[in-house]
Amino acid sequence: GAVVSQHPSRVICKSGTSVKIECRSLDFQATTMFWYRQFPKQSLMLMATSNEGSKATYEQGVEKDKFLINHASLTLSTLTVTSAHPEDSSFYICSATDRGYTGELFFGEGSRLTVL
Amino acid sequence: AQTVTQSQPEMSVQEAETVTLSCTYDTSESDYYLFWYKQPPSRQMILVIRQEAYKQQNATENRFSVNFQKAAKSFSLKISDSQLGDAAMYFCAYRFTNAGKSTFGDGTTLTVKP
Repeated sequence: GAVVSQHPSRVICKSGTSVKIECRSLDFQATTMFWYRQFPKQSLMLMATSNEGSKATYEQGVEKDKFLINHASLTLSTLTVTSAHPEDSSFYICSATDRGYTGELFFGEGSRLTVL
Repeated sequence: AQTVTQSQPEMSVQEAETVTLSCTYDTSESDYYLFWYKQPPSRQMILVIRQEAYKQQNATENRFSVNFQKAAKSFSLKISDSQLGDAAMYFCAYRFTNAGKSTFGDGTTLTVKP
């Protein structure tokens, strides 16, 4: 099956610094990628949808300037948390969909961000 | 807007027994996708089973099967012969098109007792 790799799996940073998380589709071209945030024992909260070569579409309430999303190629999307604060600490998950018609989402392993 | 409701925050089942997880959804569309995803303690999301709304036949994948009731907008997951490895959080999800965003339920945490 299709594989999505997310890196890093864990990151600790100091308050005020920026952190970049990468999401790569390894064996297919991801026309669309999605970024989620998940709190413990809760559902996935969609943050934004990114399409290759165009600006990301953010969900209501998500700060565009804090969570920068770039989808520069059909296999790579990045999420940059700028000027991170402790309240940004969370589990971030990316998913991707291909040009096929299965409708299935392929998920990365997730990244746990801890801001000190 | 589409909504997905999982009314069972937690469920438990004895090993080798059968358990059914409930899911209802709301949509005005006639063709769409429904999914069950599993999130084990590793937190890697895994597809369990998929159903296309235009198909009347219920999807099955080994020990996993669904009861898809389109008119009732119900999509339950049945796990037969439960195994310890089935312990996880299960999410029901709706997707209108193969390119659009998905709507997830709040999840059901399944515990499997040995």
